[in-house]
Amino acid sequence: QKEVEQDPGPLSVPEGAIVSLNCTYSNSAFQYFMWYRQYSRKGPELLMYTYSSGNKEDGRFTAQVDKSSKYISLFIRDSQPSDSATYLCAMSANAGGTSYGKLTFGQGTILTVHP
Amino acid sequence: EAGVVQSPRYKIIEKKQPVAFWCNPISGHNTLYWYLQNLGQGPELLIRYENEEAVDDSQLPKDRFSAERLKGVDSTLKIQPAELGDSAVYLCASSLRAQETQYFGPGTRLLVL
Repeated sequence: QKEVEQDPGPLSVPEGAIVSLNCTYSNSAFQYFMWYRQYSRKGPELLMYTYSSGNKEDGRFTAQVDKSSKYISLFIRDSQPSDSATYLCAMSANAGGTSYGKLTFGQGTILTVHP
Repeated sequence: EAGVVQSPRYKIIEKKQPVAFWCNPISGHNTLYWYLQNLGQGPELLIRYENEEAVDDSQLPKDRFSAERLKGVDSTLKIQPAELGDSAVYLCASSLRAQETQYFGPGTRLLVL
């Protein structure tokens, strides 16, 4: 079983829809949670960053972390065609040694927003 | 500010041939990462450098893969000999320090025939 599981989709929604993307994880040492967006033939770019449990909002994007359930979500409101990309969740542990700063990614969810 | 630069962007080789990828991180970033991304998967860490030192290379297949980061700036990842299963995207990322935000380059797309 992978440490981080993400529903790969693909997900296709109409413009203006609310999108929900989710990841579950098994490593209780994870404390830093990120969402990356990756456009076709590009590298991932950081979208949202959350430490520990709670919510964080940035414009149309909201990230939620529930450490008790080992579950994180990304919500996109008023989705736009320009949001069409692969969304990757990523996590890291706050530990010393070689694992410090190591990101563990989910498989990615392919999102298409059609006009 | 320039981002992470990688070259080449695409590479096609025959199996058993050697291949090398180059990465120039963001200026001032001490930490450099090499990731492997297979089709339909998330990136997986191969090696992490703190300046010149490889501090985490546990996922690097050392029988055929090697990496170096001379002078703590640019880095090169090499595969010798390449196998069909090495076909993937090789991503380089950098951060100011470990646990800081990682910025990714566009990747090198390798196809082994």
